Parts: sequence; C-alpha cells; structure tokens
Amino acid sequence: QSVLTQPPSVSAAPGQKVTISCSGSSSNIGHNDVAWYQQFPDTAPKLLIHESLKRSSGIPDRFSGSKSGTSATLVIAGLQTGDEADYYCGTWDDSLSADVFGTGTKVTVL
Amino acid sequence: EMQLVQSGAEVKKPGDSLKISCRASGYSFPSSWIVWVRQMPGKGPESMGIIYPGDSDTRYSPSFQGQITISVDRSTSTAYLQWRSLETSDTARYYCARLVWQNDGRSFDLWGQGSQVTVSS
Repeated sequence: QSVLTQPPSVSAAPGQKVTISCSGSSSNIGHNDVAWYQQFPDTAPKLLIHESLKRSSGIPDRFSGSKSGTSATLVIAGLQTGDEADYYCGTWDDSLSADVFGTGTKVTVL
Repeated sequence: EMQLVQSGAEVKKPGDSLKISCRASGYSFPSSWIVWVRQMPGKGPESMGIIYPGDSDTRYSPSFQGQITISVDRSTSTAYLQWRSLETSDTARYYCARLVWQNDGRSFDLWGQGSQVTVSS
C-alpha cells in the first residue's frame, strides 16, 4: 500500500496540458525531494524529473515538476500521443526508512 | 553507453530458490548504489533494498527484510537478488536501477530491462 497518492487517470486532447498530483506527508514529500518516472507497458520506468523540478537529460521542457508542502505536481504541456503512459512519483520516507512510489497515474491522450 | 542488463524470465514452483542478476556496464559499478524494485501486475513499483557495490553495504526495505538477499560480484560488475523459498505472491517483474543521491532527495536514473518471475504450482 503506497503512502503517496496520485489520481488513477488524467486525460486531455493533443496539445493541451495535464497535471498530475502526488500527495504525501511530512515524513516523505514534506522533507525530501521528489522524482517522477514515466513507464510504458512492459518496459522499465524512465526518470523524467529529479530533485522535484529538474529535468533528466534529454527530457523536453514540456515536462515540468514542482513541490509545495507535502504535495508534488507533474505538468505535461503540449500533450502528444507518445505521452500516453503511466507516471509515478517517488521519494524517500523518513519514517519507513524506504524509498516509496506513488499509486500511479495513467495519462490518456483523447 | 551506460547499461544495466538483467537475466531472463524465470518460471518456478513454490518453495524453489532463485537468484536473478543485473550486470552493469559503462560506468563505475563500485561507486553507485543499486536498488532492486518489485512491480506486481497492474501495480506501482516497490523498492526492495539497496546495495553499495564498493563495500557491499546492504539495506533492506522493512517489507522485504528477511525475505530476500541482495549481493554483488565486483569482479563481474553484477548485482544479484535472491530468494531461498519462493511463494506464488513473488510473481512480479523485478527491476534493478542505479540510485543517485541529490541534496535533499534521491532518484533512480538508469534501469535494467526487468526480469519476469512467475511462481506457480
């Protein structure tokens, strides 16, 4: 059972924007930076964002991350069909002494 | 090119033992932590534990402590994940990844392709 909560799904038309939230607590997001991962079916996750807002190498600036308090957000602007995937947030939890991931959000391009 | 290459799919019976591998190349294997991640069908990733190949310092996530063994072979730049006695609930895809530390956080920047483990009687 994940300690980071994400909406199960979000959707928008091509070219539009989607926002994915990741809600945690003071022992995880409230105290540590967040990473975001993109995962296509039957493939490994790929790091998109680290340190809450820094894009990994080669990631287009359509992807942006932010953090406030005990929540983090991933925004995908200029949505493309190739962005259809599952997205997970992740961080360290001080109480659990473990890396934790979010419940995951499926992005659908209408 | 930096890579983590994992061993292939496994089909086992309950009670069997298993050791899967993750071979690193293209970077300094001893200098970066490796994590093992479980992903059950239709679920999100779960961190199982990490190991520092430089000195084999190993830390298990509480949910997996006592259930698995993580090890490395520095001579072959390979990390391992091992079970003594598999259960059907161990059926999942397992990934290794490289852990990078940042100022106030950490992330996994390089991933293996995954190893499917199926446990069925």
